[in-house]
Amino acid sequence: SQQGEEDPQALSIQEGENATMNCSYKTSINNLQWYRQNSGRGLVHLILIRSNEREKHSGRLRVTLDTSKKSSSLLITASRAADTASYFCATDGGYNAGNMLTFGGGTRLMVKP
Amino acid sequence: SAVISQKPSRDICQRGTSLTIQCQVDSQVTMMFWYRQQPGQSLTLIATANQGSEATYESGFVIDKFPISRPNLTFSTLTVSNMSPEDSSIYLCSVWDNYNEQFFGPGTRLTVL
Repeated sequence: SQQGEEDPQALSIQEGENATMNCSYKTSINNLQWYRQNSGRGLVHLILIRSNEREKHSGRLRVTLDTSKKSSSLLITASRAADTASYFCATDGGYNAGNMLTFGGGTRLMVKP
Repeated sequence: SAVISQKPSRDICQRGTSLTIQCQVDSQVTMMFWYRQQPGQSLTLIATANQGSEATYESGFVIDKFPISRPNLTFSTLTVSNMSPEDSSIYLCSVWDNYNEQFFGPGTRLTVL
């Protein structure tokens, strides 16, 4: 079953605007990872944030993690049409949980040129 | 990061037949995972495949329907048996790297008629 819930389910913005996607989860985690998927292709790994981290940056991506609220957010700044994709968060409970990922439902982002 | 390839990239199959999907990794990994992504849905873990032992299946998935082989540390296969249209999905394999990041193959898009 999916642990993560993402909102919004769909987001449409203009090129240049920022896009924020949120992910909530239910149980304690070891790590949380964000992925991008273009048109039903394979998943591209974006960022991993560990449970003892609060914020990470990678280029135009900024991820925050609030373990007290069991939530994470992915911010894409200065969006581009090429950012159009589905974005998924995935949590893992670590070795004792089998190291398996549990995925959220995803956010479909459309960036209009 | 690990480089993962899958074969075939897509296939159209007849009801009642079986398809074997191959997953090749460019480095030796202990754990490999198989996921299913049904149309418009998020990813669901099918099973975890460890070399030298039986695969561990998640609730709702059974070995008779999804037999898995893991003959060595760089290769695995997933067979979708006795297919029905409900099996039409994208099937993805994934591995963990040394930094707890999980990387995915490009996926196999299966359509069952």
